[in-house]
Amino acid sequence: ILNVEQSPQSLHVQEGDSTNFTCSFPSSNFYALHWYRWETAKSPEALFVMTLNGDEKKKGRISATLNTKEGYSYLYIKGSQPEDSATYLCGYGQFYFGTGTSLTVIP
Amino acid sequence: EAQVTQNPRYLITVTGKKLTVTCSQNMNHEYMSWYRQDPGLGLRQIYYSMNVEVTDKGDVPEGYKVSRKEKRNFPLILESPSPNQTSLYFCASSWGLGSNQPQHFGDGTRLSIL
Repeated sequence: ILNVEQSPQSLHVQEGDSTNFTCSFPSSNFYALHWYRWETAKSPEALFVMTLNGDEKKKGRISATLNTKEGYSYLYIKGSQPEDSATYLCGYGQFYFGTGTSLTVIP
Repeated sequence: EAQVTQNPRYLITVTGKKLTVTCSQNMNHEYMSWYRQDPGLGLRQIYYSMNVEVTDKGDVPEGYKVSRKEKRNFPLILESPSPNQTSLYFCASSWGLGSNQPQHFGDGTRLSIL
């Protein structure tokens, strides 16, 4: 069982604030890292797939970076909106998931 | 529409009464998997399948069975459910075991075993 950790567990921000959270994973034998967005009462949906050290991916106001040597990935949300409220889940390879960061954006 | 369909979405049942949660995908994916999600523990893999008639245990397989007789279907079977199997279950599929493929998840099945 591999240890994938996400922090913080939960986050409340005001609308318009920018925020970021972390996914940590074993730095040896890196596979790939996935970020998912998981809304309440729905299923996780893939945001990004990151495979190479130094990868940066962007989708609208959301972006992610990857550092495989030190074993972490950051997810950034610029100018948070209420519709960004969700749990953001990272997955290491295909089998191992963190516990997620629950983001609430307050209007 | 590409999707993973789980049924039922909700089920309340009693200890020992066999139940099956169905999972079907329409994307011709080779790889399918079952997870359970419990508070504070994240998603934990129960079983996975790399193709028809090929299944293997994940991290928490005890008390569960699966089968993969057809590519599109991957049912999860609880032969004798117990209260510690009360959880939220997700089925997922992807193109292959290649780790750069994200998974497509079903909408989840909430099981309560009394």
